[in-house]
Amino acid sequence: KAGVTQTPRYLIKTRGQQVTLSCSPISGHRSVSWYQQTPGQGLQFLFEYFSETQRNKGNFPGRFSGRQFSNSRSEMNVSTLELGDSALYLCASSPGTAFYGYTFGSGTRLTVV
Amino acid sequence: DQQVKQNSPSLSVQEGRISILNCDYTNSMFDYFLWYKKYPAEGPTFLISISSIKDKNEDGRFTVFLNKSAKHLSLHIVPSQPGDSAVYFCAASESSGDKLTFGTGTRLAVRP
Repeated sequence: KAGVTQTPRYLIKTRGQQVTLSCSPISGHRSVSWYQQTPGQGLQFLFEYFSETQRNKGNFPGRFSGRQFSNSRSEMNVSTLELGDSALYLCASSPGTAFYGYTFGSGTRLTVV
Repeated sequence: DQQVKQNSPSLSVQEGRISILNCDYTNSMFDYFLWYKKYPAEGPTFLISISSIKDKNEDGRFTVFLNKSAKHLSLHIVPSQPGDSAVYFCAASESSGDKLTFGTGTRLAVRP
């Protein structure tokens, strides 16, 4: 059974640019959540999608957006990148809700210079 | 506002001894708690969970204890092994289960 796949693994972008990250969940999982991990801040919840609808959203500015496709694959977009956006972005999938526990991907390491 | 707190950023334990990782929370609506383990360059992996109707859950070398009145949970690893060296995150969810709120993590080092 394939795990959660995130692409790309590493990314370097310049301030002001935009970036799109991709996540393919485990087959059959309909919920995809995105988290940002930075040193000292732990994992901060960005948003969660279920059946192509954003079901929950964290406290991030509108520069952070996402979407989910009919095959449950999800993309996250960050516009007008800032240095502080440098982080590990993790995607997690679950069958329905967080109660089942997430399966995380290996993450995309974004560096903004 | 950090609703889930892991006040010890790091912990060092001798191989074979017990590791105790602690976690405090402030949101009384949390009723499901999980522990994740994370190695460098990998995503977190699920370790063990507990619901608020229980005060203890055991899985092999791993036991999670929940003290609802104190809003405190702990993860016990016994005996500790060098392969347990990783960052451990506790996480909590409300009954809606739409998201997990994570702590900042504790880095465990098990010395051979």
